[in-house]
This record gives sequence, C-alpha cells and structure tokens, in this order.
Amino acid sequence: GDSVTQMEGPVTLSEEAFLTINCTYTATGYPSLFWYVQYPGEGLQLLLKATKADDKGSNKGFEATYRKETTSFHLEKGSVQVSDSAVYFCALLSGYSTLTFGKGTMLLVSP
Amino acid sequence: KAGVTQTPRYLIKTRGQQVTLSCSPISGHRSVSWYQQTPGQGLQFLFEYFSETQRNKGNFPGRFSGRQFSNSRSEMNVSTLELGDSALYLCASSSGLNEKLFFGSGTQLSVL
Repeated sequence: GDSVTQMEGPVTLSEEAFLTINCTYTATGYPSLFWYVQYPGEGLQLLLKATKADDKGSNKGFEATYRKETTSFHLEKGSVQVSDSAVYFCALLSGYSTLTFGKGTMLLVSP
Repeated sequence: KAGVTQTPRYLIKTRGQQVTLSCSPISGHRSVSWYQQTPGQGLQFLFEYFSETQRNKGNFPGRFSGRQFSNSRSEMNVSTLELGDSALYLCASSSGLNEKLFFGSGTQLSVL
C-alpha cells in the first residue's frame, strides 16, 4: 500500500538557519503530495501542495518540489523563525480524499 | 468563509461508554473524512464520506462508525470505549474531487 517516510525529529535549529525536512513516498501512480503543519493544541494546516512531477509548491517561505525519479518531496526554508516551531507532516493523497501521512517531524527553532 | 468546525473540543469518558463526535465541513464541501492521531501511531485514516455515502474505510474495528447527513455534516461514533481509543480525532473536509483537505481543530478524547 501507499506509505510516506519522513525524517525523525526533533530538528533543532537557530533562528535564520536553513531548514530541510526529508520526505519520500511509495505509491501507485502519481499522487498529489502535501505538507501540513500542526501547532501545539491545534489541528493540521495545509502548508503547500504539488500535484504532478516537477511541480514546486510554496507558501510562507517554505518550498517543496515533487521529484518523481527519487519519489521525494523534501521541505525547505531558507531562513527559519521561532514562530516556525511546530510539527510538520508530509502526506500523499490516495483514493478519493484519503491522505496517507508520515510520522511527523518536530521542528524547534531557538532565538 | 467559516472553516471546519468540530465539537466538542474535549471529552472525557470511561471504558465501556460510547461517544459521538461532530464535524461541520466548509460550506460547499461534500466530502468529510476522519483521522485518529496518537503519539504512537501518528495520523491514521478512519473513513471518508461523500454525499452521505461512505467511500473509503481505514483499518479500524467495527466499534468505529460514522455517518454523513444531507447538509454534509458528519458524526463519528465509537462504542464500547477502550483506553487505547484516547486520541485526538480530526475531521477534514474537501470538495471530494482529489483536492486538498482542510482540517478542524479536533476533538481530544480521553478514556479513563
């Protein structure tokens, strides 16, 4: 079945550092890919998406490129802020409206 | 435009009881799906409804059930609660046409 693997955390960075969170997937066909973010005590917020190979999703300084050849969708940000501290989930859309999630990666940014 | 609304926000139940959770999707969305989030298992898909029909179901026991009403609002029911059912239950809505999903804030269920 479909699966998503993302790097384990926590990822600890200083403010203004470069961020990469790795995500790879296994799926039949070419599913849409997503990054969601979860702040403490809240639900999931959609961060960005990509629907086909070589698509680049971007939002709030975060970017991820759909790489079919490596089945990857790594999340990057050039300069993180303390307010980016949260848990980040990589996910793929399978079936009609069914998301398969990775385990999540906690990001901690210190001033 | 109002987001996805889940009620109640917190619930405390005891083993053996049953519970009903409610979800109101974004206006115009016809698909509602439910997920269970726990520290050990992460986010797991429960089921998805589209226009009052269950289209997909995850790998959960029959104690977990759901339904969707004609106004697209959905309820999820868990019967004979077990300690392991303690989790954050998230509802998501979408157009149902392989589009992005929008999540509510969740219902935190504690089973004592």
